[in-house]
Amino acid sequence: QKEVEQNSGPLSVPEGAIASLNCTYSDRVSQSFFWYRQYSGKSPELIMSIYSNGDKEDGRFTAQLNKASQYVSLLIRDSQPSDSATYLCAVSLGGGFKTIFGAGTRLFVKA
Amino acid sequence: GAVVSQHPSRVICKSGTSVKIECRSLDFQATTMFWYRQFPKQSLMLMATSNEGSKATYEQGVEKDKFLINHASLTLSTLTVTSAHPEDSSFYICSVNPVQNYGYTFGSGTRLTVV
Repeated sequence: QKEVEQNSGPLSVPEGAIASLNCTYSDRVSQSFFWYRQYSGKSPELIMSIYSNGDKEDGRFTAQLNKASQYVSLLIRDSQPSDSATYLCAVSLGGGFKTIFGAGTRLFVKA
Repeated sequence: GAVVSQHPSRVICKSGTSVKIECRSLDFQATTMFWYRQFPKQSLMLMATSNEGSKATYEQGVEKDKFLINHASLTLSTLTVTSAHPEDSSFYICSVNPVQNYGYTFGSGTRLTVV
């Protein structure tokens, strides 16, 4: 079983729609959860972090965490073509432990 | 956030030669830097953790004699791919963690092609 699993996609949504990206993780004691965006040929950039159960909103992005279900999601509202990228879910045990990345979900936003 | 500079962005080398990649933390003193490798359409895989003034910590399966890491100062870590082979062709990315548990800042990455 992979430590961090994501649907590879591609996920295709029309411009203006909500894109929903999902991630599950295997280590129940994980403490820190991140979403990174990676454009083709570029390195990842951090867009959201979440540490406690519930929702965290930042602009058009909402991260959701459910530790009981070992599930993290990212919602992108009012999707724009510029949101087309691969979104990486990452999980850490905290306390300086290494971060494990999922393989990413490719998102296409159609104009 | 932190600013990380990585150089070169692209390099093509002949099989059997060595390539050095530099990672500089421009505005943050990084006692630890991380080196990742990413093959096409695959996840980021941690290769090693670079520790300033001491030996790097390598992940299982990563050859420490092939991937030499030097972290001689708080702002510079280097990764040298020695005796490169075509299977070493990949995207190599360094990162720092300015505030523990608050996410990484990545360098721009180095696309290595071994011919």
